[in-house]
Amino acid sequence: EVQLVESGGGLVKPGGSLRLSCAASGFTFSVYSLNWVRQAPGKGLEWVSSISSSSDSIFYADSLRGRFTISRDNAKKILYLQMDRLRDEDTAVYFCARAVPSAHDALDLWGQGTPVTVSS
Amino acid sequence: DIHMTQSPSFLSASVGDRVSISCRASQTIKTYLNWYQQKPGKAPKLLIYAASALQSAVPSRFSGSGSGTDFTLTISSLQSEDFATYYCQQTYSNPRTFGQGTKVEIK
Repeated sequence: EVQLVESGGGLVKPGGSLRLSCAASGFTFSVYSLNWVRQAPGKGLEWVSSISSSSDSIFYADSLRGRFTISRDNAKKILYLQMDRLRDEDTAVYFCARAVPSAHDALDLWGQGTPVTVSS
Repeated sequence: DIHMTQSPSFLSASVGDRVSISCRASQTIKTYLNWYQQKPGKAPKLLIYAASALQSAVPSRFSGSGSGTDFTLTISSLQSEDFATYYCQQTYSNPRTFGQGTKVEIK
């Protein structure tokens, strides 16, 4: 089955760290760019970061100010998001998503999301 | 950064209605515009990419149009399963940005 499955979310105190994972199956992971998108409770979608197939192009939302690091392991078919110096406003459901180059990098496959709560 | 503005933010409609949602970019994005549907508690689903291309398995009552800065998502005859929130997203430049969403509710 073609799918993305996130894990690693949970409750963390402000200033803490968390690493999210996104495991892929059913498709050739190494040829696709991947993205993280988050959604705060009751709010809209916010794009977080993207990484190219070979990890040579990486982009982040300006609001993250260097606190988050995206990476991937093509051999293991896993995407990561390392989140450091977490703040209350980082509380959200975090989705990983696949970008399709032939479709203007539209996000055609999404995981179910993993919730992150930052609270003391 | 490119700012995306959707209108309206809320839309009340009945089954069978023709519905249109607008998305405006703060600068030209050519046709690098995608539309997603999201239902509560679920991941977003791609409906339209490259402004007007229908994603596989998406019903033909959904259509997209526009280029440059102004785009429209149209549902020709609203069905009960279409009540959801819709988002546009530009993939012309980084950072990628989404519109704030349009919630389509039952009248």
